[in-house]
Amino acid sequence: EAGVAQSPRYKIIEKRQSVAFWCNPISGHATLYWYQQILGQGPKLLIQFQNNGVVDDSQLPKDRFSAERLKGVDSTLKIQPAKLEDSAVYLCASSLDGVRGSPLHFGNGTRLTVT
Amino acid sequence: SQQGEEDPQALSIQEGENATMNCSYKTSINNLQWYRQNSGRGLVHLILIRSNEREKHSGRLRVTLDTSKKSSSLLITASRAADTASYFCATGNQGGKLIFGQGTELSVKP
Repeated sequence: EAGVAQSPRYKIIEKRQSVAFWCNPISGHATLYWYQQILGQGPKLLIQFQNNGVVDDSQLPKDRFSAERLKGVDSTLKIQPAKLEDSAVYLCASSLDGVRGSPLHFGNGTRLTVT
Repeated sequence: SQQGEEDPQALSIQEGENATMNCSYKTSINNLQWYRQNSGRGLVHLILIRSNEREKHSGRLRVTLDTSKKSSSLLITASRAADTASYFCATGNQGGKLIFGQGTELSVKP
């Protein structure tokens, strides 16, 4: 089966600019996650979708971050405006049914550098 | 917020030796999962153990779970240079929320 696809692979922007990341999960996977991973740390959950509904977004900085999952398939994560501390790898993951504890399948991530 | 804490933060061993990594967590869980991450790549799922299980095996991997101590361990037997990676434990709750620890960086020298 095809894996989780993410684009772009790398992005460099200046602070206060906006940026968007795209994720295409594995076909048929109901649960989609966005994680932020700062260098040397573990992934931090930003938002979890079940189909096209939000299950958890308690750690999403809603003043600057937004995410959507239209039609319960692809997802986009947007940052507007970006800050220096947003420099990180943004990982998308999908799961057959995360609510029932199915394992996560990760994409290779988008490395964001904010200058 | 981080739920799991891995110990040690870094581990260096020779090929053929066993590697043990520990994970402690704070709140009740539905399951605990271990993932591997090679440099510059996404995480790869290794093994999942549910809260009512005590031990699980998968190839050279052995995972134990002690819910009374809120801890888990991952044992990699007969390690290989290709096992060099970061290893993360992640705790899952009833709603499917998966929280990762800070990871253990394993280096296996040939």
